[in-house]
Amino acid sequence: DAEITQSPRHKITETGRQVTLACHQTWNHNNMFWYRQDLGHGLRLIHYSYGVHDTNKGEVSDGYSVSRSNTEDLPLTLESAASSQTSVYFCASSEPETGNEQYFGPGTRLTVT
Amino acid sequence: AQSVTQLDSQVPVFEEAPVELRCNYSSSVSVYLFWYVQYPNQGLQLLLKYLSGSTLVKSINGFEAEFNKSQTSFHLRKPSVHISDTAEYFCAVSSSGYSTLTFGKGTMLLVSP
Repeated sequence: DAEITQSPRHKITETGRQVTLACHQTWNHNNMFWYRQDLGHGLRLIHYSYGVHDTNKGEVSDGYSVSRSNTEDLPLTLESAASSQTSVYFCASSEPETGNEQYFGPGTRLTVT
Repeated sequence: AQSVTQLDSQVPVFEEAPVELRCNYSSSVSVYLFWYVQYPNQGLQLLLKYLSGSTLVKSINGFEAEFNKSQTSFHLRKPSVHISDTAEYFCAVSSSGYSTLTFGKGTMLLVSP
């Protein structure tokens, strides 16, 4: 069955370190998204991609970057982790043909100390 | 710009009682509307969606939502809830022609015996 996976599931890092969160999907979807989920804020869009070599900034992109070198993967990099980036991060993918329905990964819980 | 308002952050209800989770949106163009459910420590799962056609859409587990264009609402209802329905529910909107979703802040449904 097609799926979307994220790794690691849990990560603790120190302020100032670079961190990369992985997202891999086997749906063969062109669209991929990264969100962060915080209490009281719901899900907020960080970055998204409509295909290989395409990336776009979302609502809360400062301090984050993504790159898309193939269809399956969209890694999220925190260039210099800050305590404000402690959150749960979700990756999702979709195709326009299904009405923009997004399929979500299980999430990565990141703690920045 | 589009936005989603979920009017209740938490809805407590007794098992077998009816429930309504409210969602209002704002958008200047045609929209697609979604309800997602998130169980503890999991990713989001699509519950139901409105793309076009009949304004009443239903899920396989007894939830339904009605698209009301004049009131810009997409409220979620279930006539009789179960303990297993305890979860957080997110309303989301997408403008036709665009693939990004805007989420509400979520409503926690708490079902007690």
